[in-house]
Amino acid sequence: DQQVKQNSPSLSVQEGRISILNCDYTNSMFDYFLWYKKYPAEGPTFLISISSIKDKNEDGRFTVFLNKSAKHLSLHIVPSQPGDSAVYFCAASPYAGGTSYGKLTFGQGTILTVHP
Amino acid sequence: DAGVTQSPTHLIKTRGQHVTLRCSPISGHKSVSWYQQVLGQGPQFIFQYYEKEERGRGNFPDRFSARQFPNYSSELNVNALLLGDSALYLCASSLFLMTGADQPQHFGDGTRLSIL
Repeated sequence: DQQVKQNSPSLSVQEGRISILNCDYTNSMFDYFLWYKKYPAEGPTFLISISSIKDKNEDGRFTVFLNKSAKHLSLHIVPSQPGDSAVYFCAASPYAGGTSYGKLTFGQGTILTVHP
Repeated sequence: DAGVTQSPTHLIKTRGQHVTLRCSPISGHKSVSWYQQVLGQGPQFIFQYYEKEERGRGNFPDRFSARQFPNYSSELNVNALLLGDSALYLCASSLFLMTGADQPQHFGDGTRLSIL
């Protein structure tokens, strides 16, 4: 049961344009959402997060949008740079309680390639 | 400041053996979580430890165990290794028990475990 899904395995974008990475979830108990970037041979690096009480969070070139009714979030990167080429994972954390405190549920990842 | 450090970086074992993986969290972080990432998938939650107590367990067999030490470092142990245990094992640390409220989990670069 894939509770967090990234339906696009890959995305190719020209340098300077916008990259939009999408993520869907099914569990309504998810309360906090994060995006991580991963380069080969490195661990995931935290990028940006959003709480379920918000619908948008911005940090420099990165903006995350959350649509709770659609159970959908997206990451916008503007402008895209070649150094952004990596695997992007969305992750979700459930509402605090029980034994799910630190459990992040990840999507399968989207490979972003930004061409010069 | 040092990030999350994991050792060893690579390990080759044969079926039936056991393995111990080690993790040192970011200084001041009291929570350590372990994840398994197989090729082409997102990380999957194995355990969370906080203040030396297990606070969450994922859907993994009893061959997997872990512990956290008074200095908040952690070990992941896997017994009776199977070919399917070949994966990247990631450790993540965070300040508090709960992920959220601008307290993301920060990941190490992982241990690549290969089972022959």
